[in-house]
Amino acid sequence: DAGVTQSPTHLIKTRGQQVTLRCSPKSGHDTVSWYQQALGQGPQFIFQYYEEEERQRGNFPDRFSGHQFPNYSSELNVNALLLGDSALYLCASSLEWEQFFGPGTRLTVL
Amino acid sequence: QKEVEQNSGPLSVPEGAIASLNCTYSDRGSQSFFWYRQYSGKSPELIMFIYSNGDKEDGRFTAQLNKASQYVSLLIRDSQPSDSATYLCAVKGGYNFNKFYFGSGTKLNVKP
Repeated sequence: DAGVTQSPTHLIKTRGQQVTLRCSPKSGHDTVSWYQQALGQGPQFIFQYYEEEERQRGNFPDRFSGHQFPNYSSELNVNALLLGDSALYLCASSLEWEQFFGPGTRLTVL
Repeated sequence: QKEVEQNSGPLSVPEGAIASLNCTYSDRGSQSFFWYRQYSGKSPELIMFIYSNGDKEDGRFTAQLNKASQYVSLLIRDSQPSDSATYLCAVKGGYNFNKFYFGSGTKLNVKP
């Protein structure tokens, strides 16, 4: 049983560019959440998708958007990248209350 | 005020000792509480969860919850060098039922 998978592992972009990160949830999980984790900080909630709709959103600007597909996989899109967007982006899938994280995507914005 | 607060550490304990990690939360309606372990450069790994007042034990780990004091703790008995990591406290429920709020983590160093 595969756990949560994310791609790519690492990504380097320049300011102003756009990026798409991908996530496949753990088998049987229908809810996907995205987090941003800056160095030395805990994960910060970006948003959560359930039944292909954004169910909950954290304090992130509209430059951060997402999508969930019928197979429950999800994408995180970030437009007009800023240097401050450099972070580890974590996808987590859940069924009811327990949440498991993927390995993350390390995004570096130059 | 942050939703979840942890002492950033580092907390240093000798091998074989008990490590005690603490967390407080602000939303009194919070319902579920989680401890994650995160090794440097890796993603968080779920260790334990608790949702009832009292203690919950799993191997060398014990989670303790006191909802009246809005306090959660994690005890690690017989600490090993491999336990050296950052421990994240996460809280779910309350006014934003579907959101997990994380603390900034406590770095634990277990010295051989």
